[in-house]
Amino acid sequence: QKEVEQDPGPLSVPEGAIVSLNCTYSNSAFQYFMWYRQYSRKGPELLMYTYSSGNKEDGRFTAQVDKSSKYISLFIRDSQPSDSATYLCAAASGGYNKLIFGAGTRLAVHP
Amino acid sequence: DTAVSQTPKYLVTQMGNDKSIKCEQNLGHDTMYWYKQDSKKFLKIMFSYNNKELIINETVPNRFSPKSPDKAHLNLHINSLELGDSAVYFCASMSGLAGYEQYFGPGTRLTVT
Repeated sequence: QKEVEQDPGPLSVPEGAIVSLNCTYSNSAFQYFMWYRQYSRKGPELLMYTYSSGNKEDGRFTAQVDKSSKYISLFIRDSQPSDSATYLCAAASGGYNKLIFGAGTRLAVHP
Repeated sequence: DTAVSQTPKYLVTQMGNDKSIKCEQNLGHDTMYWYKQDSKKFLKIMFSYNNKELIINETVPNRFSPKSPDKAHLNLHINSLELGDSAVYFCASMSGLAGYEQYFGPGTRLTVT
């Protein structure tokens, strides 16, 4: 079993839809949770992070962590074609910040 | 002005060859990483250096040898290339050891034939 599990999709939604991307993890020591976005043929870039449980909002994006169920979510409101990318969740327990990534979910937002 | 750069961008080579990939960052970071991303987009850490010292060394064949000549550079040398080494290799950097924002390079797409 991988430490961070993520459905690879692909996920296809119409423009303006609310998108929900999810991951589960198995390591209780994880304290830091991140979402990276990767456009085709590019390197990943940090989109959002949360520490421990809770919500964090940034514009159209909301990251949510539920440590009791070991569940990580990213919500995208009013999705745009420019949001089309692969979204990678990641977790770390601290200590040299070794990030453990999920497999990535490919999202396509069509006009 | 590129923050994390890698050369070459593409590398096509035959089995058994030895090749190197170079990474440079101009962000002033002192921690650098090598990741491998396979065909299914799964991104896995290989190595990390902090101030030229190896701090993360995952279970990677010893055909892979990283080298950090200084804080701004991290190279990856691969001996006796195998078909399974075909992947995209990403370099990343981060400030210090306690953080979460890693800056990734554009990747080096390695194809072994």
